Amino acid sequence: DIVMTQAPLSVSVTPGESASISCRSSKSLLHSNGITYVYWYLQKPGKSPQLLIYRMSNLASGVPDRFSGSGSETDFTLKISRVEAEDVGIYYCGQLLENPYTFGAGTKLELK
Amino acid sequence: QVQLQQSGAELVKPGSSVKISCKASGYTFTSYDMHWIKQQPGNGLEWIGWIYPGNGNTKYNQKFNGKATLTADKSSSTAYMQLSSLTSEDSAVYFCARSKLFAYWGQGTLVTVPS
Repeated sequence: DIVMTQAPLSVSVTPGESASISCRSSKSLLHSNGITYVYWYLQKPGKSPQLLIYRMSNLASGVPDRFSGSGSETDFTLKISRVEAEDVGIYYCGQLLENPYTFGAGTKLELK
Repeated sequence: QVQLQQSGAELVKPGSSVKISCKASGYTFTSYDMHWIKQQPGNGLEWIGWIYPGNGNTKYNQKFNGKATLTADKSSSTAYMQLSSLTSEDSAVYFCARSKLFAYWGQGTLVTVPS
């Protein structure tokens, strides 16, 4: 199975400042079709996960452009600019390249 | 708008089975895979498998072979997951999520199996 390793496990951010979350995969997520199958989700307290970024760098519908995704074949970053109170929750990266689809352990974002 | 409405919480006995549902609306049910994901308390996300309601094809995480069975009813646009031989390790919230992007999720169904 592809292992997804996130860092840090928790981050505390002052509102208005930026935050970055890293994710590393144990195998390249770049398909021969040129698409990198890494996704980012946010699970707010008591809610279902919601899609933020798909295929490494594409912003999901309705997601503020304060969120951005980047990376290479195995190293990925989610950046949140100008963190707001509504961004609090647990962020997960996931690979949807091959069975079984797997997720990172999550990064908890809190406000200072 | 796309909605996935899951069935309510279940308290079930060890060794028994449970069947939870995910009713889809707002899109053509038979055109998108439906995935199921497990989340144990305080833990991350674990993918169980998917079903394509158009033809009933399924694909499972090998870890859940024999534990989970996915079905779908086209007439009611509802996907189902049956979990069998339940133990306390099966206590979790189970989500359905549409398509490979997982852009739409159900609200989750809590299954509790006392130890």
